[in-house]
Amino acid sequence: QQQVKQSPQSLIVQKGGIPIINCAYENTAFDYFPWYQQFPGKGPALLIAIRPDVSEKKEGRFTISFNKSAKQFSLHIMDSQPGDSATYFCAASGGSNYKLTFGKGTLLTVNP
Amino acid sequence: DTAVSQTPKYLVTQMGNDKSIKCEQNLGHDTMYWYKQDSKKFLKIMFSYNNKELIINETVPNRFSPKSPDKAHLNLHINSLELGDSAVYFCASSPHPMNTEAFFGQGTRLTVV
Repeated sequence: QQQVKQSPQSLIVQKGGIPIINCAYENTAFDYFPWYQQFPGKGPALLIAIRPDVSEKKEGRFTISFNKSAKQFSLHIMDSQPGDSATYFCAASGGSNYKLTFGKGTLLTVNP
Repeated sequence: DTAVSQTPKYLVTQMGNDKSIKCEQNLGHDTMYWYKQDSKKFLKIMFSYNNKELIINETVPNRFSPKSPDKAHLNLHINSLELGDSAVYFCASSPHPMNTEAFFGQGTRLTVV
């Protein structure tokens, strides 16, 4: 049972575009929703995270939108750059589930 | 001054061998994890330790044995390696079990031949 479903699997945008990656979760006890960025040969790095008491959080060019009723959250990257090309993972944790459950990842390519 | 460091970065070994991966964190965190990332990049938790005590043990073959000598170290020992164990193994840490803001190491790419 996949508790966090992520889409799309891959995404190609032009420089300056706004890629959007979506995640949906099943466990209503989840209360922490981070996004991780992973470059080839590196470990995942925490990018931005949100808790369900807010519907949006912005850090620099990265924004998380959160819809508690739909059990969905998404990552938007404003003014995307080639250096943003990486694999992005959404994750969730909470309740008695003190571990991060990851989505399957989205490979983002930003063309110059 | 790497926050979460693991060694080795690459490990190539034959089937049936026993190997260990070491992990150290200097963040002062209480909780440490081992994750496995398969060839499709799926990240799955294997184990979690809080202050040297095992708190999460997912469905992992008992050939995998984590050991935490102190809260800054979590090592992973794998016995009788199989081809299917080939993957990238990541160590991570977080402040405490209820705070899952995890910081990952650079990974160990294990190849079993």
